[in-house]
Amino acid sequence: EAQVTQNPRYLITVTGKKLTVTCSQNMNHEYMSWYRQDPGLGLRQIYYSMNVEVTDKGDVPEGYKVSRKEKRNFPLILESPSPNQTSLYFCASRDRNYGYTFGSGTRLTVV
Amino acid sequence: AQTVTQSQPEMSVQEAETVTLSCTYDTSESDYYLFWYKQPPSRQMILVIRQEAYKQQNATENRFSVNFQKAAKSFSLKISDSQLGDAAMYFCAYRGLGTYKYIFGTGTRLKVLA
Repeated sequence: EAQVTQNPRYLITVTGKKLTVTCSQNMNHEYMSWYRQDPGLGLRQIYYSMNVEVTDKGDVPEGYKVSRKEKRNFPLILESPSPNQTSLYFCASRDRNYGYTFGSGTRLTVV
Repeated sequence: AQTVTQSQPEMSVQEAETVTLSCTYDTSESDYYLFWYKQPPSRQMILVIRQEAYKQQNATENRFSVNFQKAAKSFSLKISDSQLGDAAMYFCAYRGLGTYKYIFGTGTRLKVLA
């Protein structure tokens, strides 16, 4: 089944403790992206990647890192999480002409 | 910069009736894609329908259709014969042809009343 798999689904952590949210797609898509969803703000892009080793900042990159060492994987790294990064996170991938396929989301709470 | 506006935070519709969700956007590009995504309580984002700006014909997917007005920069979603399973948050999104970035609206929560 074609899908984007992200883990974990829920995560509660403490301020300053590094964490990684994994994302993997099995569709051989070139483009991958991370979004955060907050009430009243819709989805905002954090980072995106056009291909292996090619990444760029989205609208809200501060406090986040990404890497794209393999085509299928695009992890999101929070080096020192803060409470304002509490949000619902989505990984997504797409081919050139179609819409994004989204993962099932990660609900992150930073206390 | 491109923007996407969904001016209806919440709407309700009776089961089996028709409802239209509004979306307007602003862009200086002539070629782009527009999308509607559905997010049910499971929070999964599901692509509902896609429209290419160069196509004059409005896209249709079963009970879902769009009214694309390029000059007015309007892209509304019509849901016919509404079903309880249509209850969800609906997001309108824009992508320029040459860009990697999607712009999402803030969403419209649709309630379906039995």
